[in-house]
Amino acid sequence: EVQLVESGGGLVQPGGSLRLSCAASGFTFSSYWMHWVRQAPGKGLVWVSHINSDGSSTTYADSVKGRFTISRDNAKNTLYLQMNSLRAEDTAVYYCVRGGGLRSFDYWGQGTLVTVSS
Amino acid sequence: DIQMTQSPSSLSASVGDRVTITCRASQSISSYLNWYQQKPGKAPKLLIYAASTLQGGVPSRFSGSGSGTDFTLTISSLQPEDFATYYCQQSYSTLLFTFGQGTKLEIK
Repeated sequence: EVQLVESGGGLVQPGGSLRLSCAASGFTFSSYWMHWVRQAPGKGLVWVSHINSDGSSTTYADSVKGRFTISRDNAKNTLYLQMNSLRAEDTAVYYCVRGGGLRSFDYWGQGTLVTVSS
Repeated sequence: DIQMTQSPSSLSASVGDRVTITCRASQSISSYLNWYQQKPGKAPKLLIYAASTLQGGVPSRFSGSGSGTDFTLTISSLQPEDFATYYCQQSYSTLLFTFGQGTKLEIK
């Protein structure tokens, strides 16, 4: 069974940093693209970042470019999102997502809440 | 950037109704269009990928169609568990995987 379990969310002050982790199991992690998607309270889904299977290629939404860094450790079956210079508008539930067929998003974690507030 | 526009933004329907949600892309995305269902407090779930391919385990009352810029999600006979928010998403551009704004399907 595919499982994606996020951790690392919490309350952080504006300008602060946080690192999210996503532990993957039930599939060959090193064979799949992975993504982070976020959802602000009461709002829609917003794609944040993607990383290819070996970690050699990454892309970011303009809203987080230069502040967030996606990475992965295929030996530990873990995906990361390093978030720096956090802003109030980064407040959201962050989902770890596996890339599926035709670049769909086929499995989602339960999400971890990040709150940026003083 | 490719923009995705869903309509309607909300919809009221009854159990047993046939429902259609549309999604329009700002430029051609071939068949790189996916549909997701999200229930309150839960993670989204992939329903359909590549515009018309049903994800494993998804009931056959869900179907998708379209290519280029215009797409539809159809639920042939609404069931109580189908009341949720639905999102389309383009995966044509790997630089920006855009979602539509969502369609909230409510019980009439």
